[in-house]
Amino acid sequence: EPEVTQTPSHQVTQMGQEVILRCVPISNHLYFYWYRQILGQKVEFLVSFYNNEISEKSEIFDDQFSVERPDGSNFTLKIRSTKLEDSAMYFCASSTEREVELFFGEGSRLTVL
Amino acid sequence: RKEVEQDPGPFNVPEGATVAFNCTYSNSASQSFFWYRQDCRKEPKLLMSVYSSGNEDGRFTAQLNRASQYISLLIRDSKLSDSATYLCVVYNFNKFYFGSGTKLNVKP
Repeated sequence: EPEVTQTPSHQVTQMGQEVILRCVPISNHLYFYWYRQILGQKVEFLVSFYNNEISEKSEIFDDQFSVERPDGSNFTLKIRSTKLEDSAMYFCASSTEREVELFFGEGSRLTVL
Repeated sequence: RKEVEQDPGPFNVPEGATVAFNCTYSNSASQSFFWYRQDCRKEPKLLMSVYSSGNEDGRFTAQLNRASQYISLLIRDSKLSDSATYLCVVYNFNKFYFGSGTKLNVKP
């Protein structure tokens, strides 16, 4: 069964460092998303991406964040100058069409020290 | 007002019980509705989409009430493996909105 894959599964970084989280969406999917879940809290939307550009972003997704689809398979989330409050699980998701169900990767746990 | 609201629970039920969760959403123009299941520290996994006519998948039944803007999930004959957090998800205006989840504990 096709699945969304994410790397790394866990990253520990020092405050102020840059991190890149990587995702390989399901191959025939066209819509890509990043979500964040701080421990014990709800899943929060960060950004959606379609046709090589951002289609929506939340107020969380400020200049500290960027996304890229550098090739035909990878979808990356870059977090610059990490802060303690960036510690969370970051989920990548993809879907075939705009309104249909999302399929999530297993997540990348980011710990900022 | 939150886009999607759920009772956080926990719902503690014995094996074999029937349990129901409700979820309300604020935007009457919402277009698609889903129930996801999330195990502790894992990714959300689609349980079922919710259709206007209601739909059933084995022990799980989902209903949508557009007039009252709520979605329900009914689980019959609960299993220990049903213990998880159930997330209500609503799509509108290019975004999926997640509820905070309802925690279910099924006890032997």
